[in-house]
Amino acid sequence: DAGITQSPRHKVTETGTPVTLRCHQTENHRYMYWYRQDPGHGLRLIHYSYGVKDTDKGEVSDGYSVSRSKTEDFLLTLESATSSQTSVYFCAISESRTDAEKLFFGSGTQLSVL
Amino acid sequence: GDSVTQMEGPVTLSEEAFLTINCTYTATGYPSLFWYVQYPGEGLQLLLKATKADDKGSNKGFEATYRKETTSFHLEKGSVQVSDSAVYFCALSWNSSASKIIFGSGTRLSIRP
Repeated sequence: DAGITQSPRHKVTETGTPVTLRCHQTENHRYMYWYRQDPGHGLRLIHYSYGVKDTDKGEVSDGYSVSRSKTEDFLLTLESATSSQTSVYFCAISESRTDAEKLFFGSGTQLSVL
Repeated sequence: GDSVTQMEGPVTLSEEAFLTINCTYTATGYPSLFWYVQYPGEGLQLLLKATKADDKGSNKGFEATYRKETTSFHLEKGSVQVSDSAVYFCALSWNSSASKIIFGSGTRLSIRP
């Protein structure tokens, strides 16, 4: 298995509180991604990073921010969580931009916003 | 815009049954097509892929053929096992771009012993 660790694995929080999810990789891959998975929608890209301090928005970026200060860590922050952000969040990594078939996923974080 | 449509689940089959999970796509041009599988408690992993029309992707007994004329990429397996129980996602991307993957909504498959 690719070395991807997401933390926490489960989190319950209240509306309006800040939440940070962490993705840690040991593969030294350049690209890292955050997706959310919701019933009926498959996976949708939130943000991705193409290097340290280099990030870009995905399809559903509103309400989320990211940071990447080290190659191995990619943080996803919900500044003020809302119930619509209840979801399963997946981190993924790839060595290059054109490596869709070598996209490796973490095991996910189940976030519940009450 | 581009999209992927999968048959809704859950799909429940008996062991050794034949499996088909339908997937169709909408896109201008010829994207790469993928099937990913998500086993319980795990992240997604690539199952198979096809990058051009009439290509057949295969892995672990699963097959899918890129059909340009019907814009389809149906997943098939001749004899399923209990260990195949998972959620299956069809997806497309342009130039195999990892940041431009569009996923279908997923189909949950349960296999009875």
